[in-house]
Amino acid sequence: DTGVSQDPRHKITKRGQNVTFRCDPISEHNRLYWYRQTLGQGPEFLTYFQNEAQLEKSRLLSDRFSAERPKGSFSTLEIQRTEQGDSAMYLCASSLDSRALLPDTQYFGPGTRLTVL
Amino acid sequence: AQSVTQPDIHITVSEGASLELRCNYSYGATPYLFWYVQSPGQGLQLLLKYFSGDTLVQGIKGFEAEFKRSQSSFNLRKPSVHWSDAAEYFCAVEGQGSGTYKYIFGTGTRLKVLA
Repeated sequence: DTGVSQDPRHKITKRGQNVTFRCDPISEHNRLYWYRQTLGQGPEFLTYFQNEAQLEKSRLLSDRFSAERPKGSFSTLEIQRTEQGDSAMYLCASSLDSRALLPDTQYFGPGTRLTVL
Repeated sequence: AQSVTQPDIHITVSEGASLELRCNYSYGATPYLFWYVQSPGQGLQLLLKYFSGDTLVQGIKGFEAEFKRSQSSFNLRKPSVHWSDAAEYFCAVEGQGSGTYKYIFGTGTRLKVLA
């Protein structure tokens, strides 16, 4: 178990460009979450997958944002036509659905820090 | 709507002193509560969690937290702080409703430790 990994760790882009981030969850985890964290704030929920199905999206996730988890394993988060307001840390988390026993515990990756110039 | 409040944005303590970080939640039912720690430029590491049962929860790195339903609080404590505890601490509650498992985080408390 190597934990949740994210790639890249840092991304600098110019306004208007598209960017894509990747998240690899803990191998047996079937739930995957994306959060966004801006400076001085706690993480804010963006979206959530159960296996390959995207089951919930926050209102923060504008039309420029799209997330996929095609085979129920890794996930990608794409931001189109980036804006300076998109600058933030993007965190991925995963958990194992154990609702029958206890609530899930989410394990977080190191994050991808996006800077939009 | 569920919410989490961490009233202290910054806290400074001397190494070896005791620590208490405050967390208040707004939630109608039994909450699922978490404390995470984040070092600069890093992701979040789980310190401890409360689901049910004993209201005093032990975590990693010598931390503990106490759930008090009457005060809607879940404060984090450590009897003796080490310099390596300097970091940002986040309290979170699992949002509950049909089919949602997202966490709702507070704004965090940044801990500074004086040598």
